Amino acid sequence: AQSVAQPEDQVNVAEGNPLTVKCTYSVSGNPYLFWYVQYPNRGLQFLLKYITGDNLVKGSYGFEAEFNKSQTSFHLKKPSALVSDSALYFCAVRDSPRGNTGKLIFGQGTTLQVKP
Amino acid sequence: EADIYQTPRYLVIGTGKKITLECSQTMGHDKMYWYQQDPGMELHLIHYSYGVNSTEKGDLSSESTVSRIRTEHFPLTLESARPSHTSQYLCASSSGVATGELFFGEGSRLTVL
Repeated sequence: AQSVAQPEDQVNVAEGNPLTVKCTYSVSGNPYLFWYVQYPNRGLQFLLKYITGDNLVKGSYGFEAEFNKSQTSFHLKKPSALVSDSALYFCAVRDSPRGNTGKLIFGQGTTLQVKP
Repeated sequence: EADIYQTPRYLVIGTGKKITLECSQTMGHDKMYWYQQDPGMELHLIHYSYGVNSTEKGDLSSESTVSRIRTEHFPLTLESARPSHTSQYLCASSSGVATGELFFGEGSRLTVL
């Protein structure tokens, strides 16, 4: 079965510093991986996805993620954090890419706190 | 901005009441989903639909029911609400392409007293 894990409940960084939010995955076959962000009392917003090709994926709001097949990881990164980046971040994997359910399986979420 | 809408955004009701959470999308997506988000923030799939007249139970057992009579509409109903149903409910849709992302509504936060 497909699964993702986010090993950190919370990540704290200072504004202007680089940030990394970690995600590891377990899939059968090729992984389709996604990152979402959730601000307080809001729905989830899509940031970026990895399907195939270049291991470095660029997304919204200056975020990028690095796909590493040997380490089965898909860490979210940003070179310079902003206070407004403070939010809850979810990594997700497509359930059975060859199937047609379209379901996403989410990690448990990581709270990013960026301090001024 | 995704064109998927949920109402109500917030609802506080008493035990035993029947409630329906509305979800509509204007993107013509065939696939729609309901996720329940715990106070601890994890997301669990409770229902999904491949298209009109198709509904399936998700990975987390739920006492709620759903219907899909129109492509754009995917309401969730609780016949008799209980405090254990207190949660945030997130509706989503996708085009059905395997590589496609899900688009989420803003959520409905339900509190049952």
